[in-house]
Amino acid sequence: DSGVTQTPKHLITATGQRVTLRCSPRSGDLSVYWYQQSLDQGLQFLIHYYNGEERAKGNILERFSAQQFPDLHSELNLSSLELGDSALYFCASSVASGDSDTQYFGPGTRLTVL
Amino acid sequence: GQQLNQSPQSMFIQEGEDVSMNCTSSSIFNTWLWYKQDPGEGPVLLIALYKAGELTSNGRLTAQFGITRKDSFLNISASIPSDVGIYFCAGPPTNTGNQFYFGTGTSLTVIP
Repeated sequence: DSGVTQTPKHLITATGQRVTLRCSPRSGDLSVYWYQQSLDQGLQFLIHYYNGEERAKGNILERFSAQQFPDLHSELNLSSLELGDSALYFCASSVASGDSDTQYFGPGTRLTVL
Repeated sequence: GQQLNQSPQSMFIQEGEDVSMNCTSSSIFNTWLWYKQDPGEGPVLLIALYKAGELTSNGRLTAQFGITRKDSFLNISASIPSDVGIYFCAGPPTNTGNQFYFGTGTSLTVIP
C-alpha cells in the first residue's frame, strides 16, 4: 500500500459524458501527478500540481483538466469523453517538486468509455 | 516527446535464473527509478538512483545508474514466480523540470 488513494476504482460511462477522478496523496506529500496508461501508449504524464498550483503539463488534452485543493487532494476532470479515452488513470504523489523526489503511485482508476 | 527505450521488451525465464534488463535514453537524467507493475495495479517503486555510477540493492534486486547518465540497469537474481510483472524505468530528463517519463516496459514471465 503506497498510501495514495484513488476513487473510484472502476468507471464505465458513455461517449460525450464527463467524469471526475479523485486522488488523495500520501500524508505529508505536497505534489500530485496524473498519468494515463493505455495499451498502446504506455504510461503518459498528464499534469503535475504542487501545493495547489500547476507545475507542469504533459500530454493532457484540452478536454481534460485538473486541480489540487487546499487539503491537497486532487481531481482530474475528463469531458466530452471519447472511446479512445478508455484507459487506466493513475495519480502519484511526492513530498516536494524536485526532480529527485520519488513518486508513489495509487492503485488507479480504470475508465471504460462505451 | 522523450523516449526511454527498455530492453528486452519481454522475457520468459525459468525460476531460479537471473534477469537483466536495461533502459536507455538520448537525454541525461538526474534520477532513475525502477517500478514494477502487476496487472490492473499501480506501479510500485523498487529502487531509486540519484547519482551517476550509483549501485543500489533491494533484496534480490540491484540497479545501477549509468555513468553517462543516459542509461540504467536492473538485475534480479534467483527469480521466483512472484517476480512476474512489467518492469518500468522512469525519471525526469534534466531539461524537463520535474516531468517524469516512463520506459516502454519489460514484461517478465517466470516459469516454475
